[in-house]
Amino acid sequence: QVQLQQSGAELAKPGSSVKISCKASGYTFTSYYISWIKQTTGQGLEYIGYINTGSGGTNYNEKFKGKATLTVDKSSSTAFMQLSSLTPDDSAVYYCARWDGTYPWVMDAWGQGASVTVSS
Amino acid sequence: DIQMTQSPASLSASLEEIVTITCQPSQGIGNYLSWYQQKLGKSPQLLIHSATSLADGVPSRFSGSRSGTQYSLKINRLQVEDTGIYYCLQISSTPWTFGGGTKLELK
Repeated sequence: QVQLQQSGAELAKPGSSVKISCKASGYTFTSYYISWIKQTTGQGLEYIGYINTGSGGTNYNEKFKGKATLTVDKSSSTAFMQLSSLTPDDSAVYYCARWDGTYPWVMDAWGQGASVTVSS
Repeated sequence: DIQMTQSPASLSASLEEIVTITCQPSQGIGNYLSWYQQKLGKSPQLLIHSATSLADGVPSRFSGSRSGTQYSLKINRLQVEDTGIYYCLQISSTPWTFGGGTKLELK
């Protein structure tokens, strides 16, 4: 079955970086995009961006340009998101989700979420 | 960015009751709207796509509709397992945007 397995919780210091992974299984990795979503109690769900897993092409929410960097490793069917220059506002749960990129235009499978806590 | 105004923010309903949640985008999005359910501590699960199409494996008591620029999610005959938070999502244009969520509880 389709699965997206994310890396574990991170505790990071302000100013540092973290890299979250999202390993896909149960489908052809390069047939779908991987999108990334941020969830906080205050801001709800926010779209960060998506990556074309075949070409590596990306789309970023302007709000997260310079903050998030999306990459893929096709050989391991894994997508990555690096968050840099962390501040407490980056504390959140981050989800990866599979997006079809065509009709019906859905994110139909999600990872379990990766919690990032930024604290000194 | 397209703003998605979702209402109500919270809702308490009885078993077997009919529940309706709405989303109003700040500009036209066609049928590029999905609905998700999120249970506590879990990731969101797709319910409805393309405004009105039921996702695979989703019970038929869930339905989506569109009236002009307003989109609705309806749950017929509310069940215990339907509690959680519901979100609408527009993917008409980036950045994709979510509604603020509706927390659904049993009365």
